[in-house]
Amino acid sequence: AQSVTQLGSHVSVSEGALVLLRCNYSSSVPPYLFWYVQYPNQGLQLLLKYTTGATLVKGINGFEAEFKKSETSFHLTKPSAHMSDAAEYFCAVSEGDTGTASKLTFGTGTRLQVTL
Amino acid sequence: NAGVTQTPKFRILKIGQSMTLQCTQDMNHNYMYWYRQDPGMGLKLIYYSVGAGITDKGEVPNGYNVSRSTTEDFPLRLELAAPSQTSVYFCASSPPQRAGGPFEQYFGPGTRLTVT
Repeated sequence: AQSVTQLGSHVSVSEGALVLLRCNYSSSVPPYLFWYVQYPNQGLQLLLKYTTGATLVKGINGFEAEFKKSETSFHLTKPSAHMSDAAEYFCAVSEGDTGTASKLTFGTGTRLQVTL
Repeated sequence: NAGVTQTPKFRILKIGQSMTLQCTQDMNHNYMYWYRQDPGMGLKLIYYSVGAGITDKGEVPNGYNVSRSTTEDFPLRLELAAPSQTSVYFCASSPPQRAGGPFEQYFGPGTRLTVT
């Protein structure tokens, strides 16, 4: 069975500082990995995803993540935090076979706070 | 396109009452999903559908029912509401998974349900 662990339910950074949100996964097959962002009182929005190919994935709003198979990790980073990045971030994994539903397993989320 | 729409936005139910959460998508997506989000728990899959007339259980289906009579609509029914069903409910849709990895899921804005 697949699972996702997000280390740190709350992360606080200063504006302009590096953002690092950690995600480790467990999967019995090559995983597909996602990062979603949720702004207050809104639904989830895709930041980026890894399927196959290049292990460094770039997403929207300056975020990127690197798939490291040996570490079973998919950490999310952004070089310089902005106040508008304050939100909750979810890592998710999919093991769905081609042609079947892309069932996602989500982590418990990390709330990012950005301070002046 | 409106994307994925959900109604109502908020609802308070008394224990034992029933209700239907509505979900509609206008992107002609085959796959649709219902999740619940509880604080500190991430999102859990309740039910999903791969097309009209086809539904299947997710991780936490007890106390819920779904139907899919059209591509656009995927209502979630709560029978005999219980306090444990107090949560935020999200509907999502996606195209079918394909070789090379799944498409992203598009989320609605959510329905906040309180059962007292």
